[in-house]
Amino acid sequence: EVQLVESGGALVQPGGSLRLSCAASGFSFSKYWMNWVRQAPGKGLEWVANIKEDGSERYYMDSVKGRFTISRDNANESVYLQINSLRVEDTAVYYCAREPSMSYYDRSGHYMDYWFDPWGPGTLVTVSS
Amino acid sequence: SSELTQDPAVSVALGQTIRITCRGDSLRNSYASWYRQKPGQAPVVVMSGKNNRPAGIPDRFSGSNSGDTASLTVTAAQAEDEGDYYCCSRDNSGSHVYVFGSGTTVTVL
Repeated sequence: EVQLVESGGALVQPGGSLRLSCAASGFSFSKYWMNWVRQAPGKGLEWVANIKEDGSERYYMDSVKGRFTISRDNANESVYLQINSLRVEDTAVYYCAREPSMSYYDRSGHYMDYWFDPWGPGTLVTVSS
Repeated sequence: SSELTQDPAVSVALGQTIRITCRGDSLRNSYASWYRQKPGQAPVVVMSGKNNRPAGIPDRFSGSNSGDTASLTVTAAQAEDEGDYYCCSRDNSGSHVYVFGSGTTVTVL
């Protein structure tokens, strides 16, 4: 069974740090981009960061650049999110998600399809004094 | 940065058709994927690409794209189709950055 399980969420004070982990199983982890997506209480989904299969490329949403670092360990089939200088507005459930992709050819030509599947159950990060 | 706009809420009667739209400049260059989230659960993909339906998603679900708009249509709405629906696409930067839509809460009456 393809599965992702996050861990590491906690209650932390503003300015603190946290390291989130996501353990993967049931698929060839090293062949996929991996993503972190968060959801503040009662709010919508917000893409946070992703990392290429071999870790050579990483991308972040603007508001977390310089504070968040995504990394991965393909030998241990895990992806991580180091969160520093935590702010109250970082309070959210953090999900990790695998990013499959598929190449298609039709009458219009070539296009790529990307999606997030599966998602882990999430881990809650609460930033409060 | 790119933005994707969705109507906040849609209500339909049982058996009727649900139509959810997602608008944004990034959709001119990138197809959307769609996710349904039920209370207390992680999101689940229901559609991606031009009209690619994942295994386990009924053929009542279909997707379409035109210009800066992506649409998700669910025919013969069932109670289990309720939930929050989000679109998502690559942003306009040309890099591997994503943006989610604001979400649409679907109620089946």
